[in-house]
Amino acid sequence: QVQLVQSGAEVRKPGSSVKVSCKASGGTFSNYAISWVRQAPGQGLEWMGRIIPILGIANYAQRFQGRVTITADKSTSTAYMELSSLRSEDTAIYFCARDQTPVVGATSPHAFDIWGQGTMVTVSS
Amino acid sequence: DIQMTQSPSSLSASVGDRVTITCRASQGISNYLAWYQQKPGKVPKLLIYAASTLQSGVPSRFSGSGSGADFTLTISSLQPEDVASYYCQNYHSVPITFGQGTRLEIK
Repeated sequence: QVQLVQSGAEVRKPGSSVKVSCKASGGTFSNYAISWVRQAPGQGLEWMGRIIPILGIANYAQRFQGRVTITADKSTSTAYMELSSLRSEDTAIYFCARDQTPVVGATSPHAFDIWGQGTMVTVSS
Repeated sequence: DIQMTQSPSSLSASVGDRVTITCRASQGISNYLAWYQQKPGKVPKLLIYAASTLQSGVPSRFSGSGSGADFTLTISSLQPEDVASYYCQNYHSVPITFGQGTRLEIK
């Protein structure tokens, strides 16, 4: 069974960047899109973007465009999310999540059946 | 972007009650709708996809219905372990969007 294991908690100062990793183990990686979803304290879920590793194609939510970069390393089955120009409002738990259906032709999104454990990112001066 | 509006935002019900949560999309999304359960301090869990298909391992008291713009998640007989927040998700196209969530408590 595939598991997504994320990197540990991070503390950053405003204006800096953070890079969170998400390593897949136990199954196929490249054919499934990986999304990043964040959850601010006491708030709901917010989709940030996704990548299809086998194609190297990434899509981003408009509100993060220009600040977020999602990449994937097929050789290590690891996806990354880098968020720059951090501000206090970026304090949140960041999750990676895998599409339940592999990419076959079309690159349309799917529901997320496997989630990473989450990475707490705290932005504070 | 497609906006997803859930109601109610919070809900209190008794064990054994039938509970219904609704989700409305700002435009039609066919059946590209999923429901997630998130217990406090835990990772979201997929309950239903394609609007009405139960994810493997999910108890049959959970069901989903709807198509187009209006969707419903129903718990036929509420159990104590169902205390959680529930989110609908539009995956018709990117950007993927979530409803604001419904917090479910036991009365």
